[in-house]
Amino acid sequence: DAMVIQNPRYQVTQFGKPVTLSCSQTLNHNVMYWYQQKSSQAPKLLFHYYDKDFNNEADTPDNFQSRRPNTSFCFLDIRSPGLGDAAMYLCATSSEGSGYEQYFGPGTRLTVT
Amino acid sequence: GEDVEQSLFLSVREGDSSVINCTYTDSSSTYLYWYKQEPGAGLQLLTYIFSNMDMKQDQRLTVLLNKKDKHLSLRIADTQTGDSAIYFCADFTGGGNKLTFGTGTQLKVEL
Repeated sequence: DAMVIQNPRYQVTQFGKPVTLSCSQTLNHNVMYWYQQKSSQAPKLLFHYYDKDFNNEADTPDNFQSRRPNTSFCFLDIRSPGLGDAAMYLCATSSEGSGYEQYFGPGTRLTVT
Repeated sequence: GEDVEQSLFLSVREGDSSVINCTYTDSSSTYLYWYKQEPGAGLQLLTYIFSNMDMKQDQRLTVLLNKKDKHLSLRIADTQTGDSAIYFCADFTGGGNKLTFGTGTQLKVEL
């Protein structure tokens, strides 16, 4: 089945230790998104790639970076995680041809100790 | 900027209908969506409506859009315990390929 996959599902990192979260998709969608969702809050868009074009949200901290080496994969790098970065990180994809619906992965729960 | 608001909680009995409401501020919204999120999971797209439509029905789900009042609702008929989740409305304006999510409504279905 075509889908959005996130690895790992749970990630524990230490304060200040870099961490990378992974997202892959088999939908062949040209747009990929990273969201941060804290408890009892709506998802907050960090950035997205439209094909290879990177689009950063104005309020996304510099601590968060992203890479998209090819259509299928997208990575979220947190350079120096703080306690406030503990959250669920959601990857999503969309395509102009599919009416802009965003399809979400299951998320990665990040814990910072 | 764009603002999307929802009530925080809704409690219904199993078998009753649920109505979750959403208001938005951007009059240029082109698509409006309803997502469901179960605990510890990602968001599942339930349905969406194009802005030139008033209503869309999909099995137990009915979406109503009042564009004049910028009001969107999701009606779930014959609500089941498996419908217990957080429901997010979201709108898409086309500019920037971005969704703006509402605050989420937690639906609790009681026996």
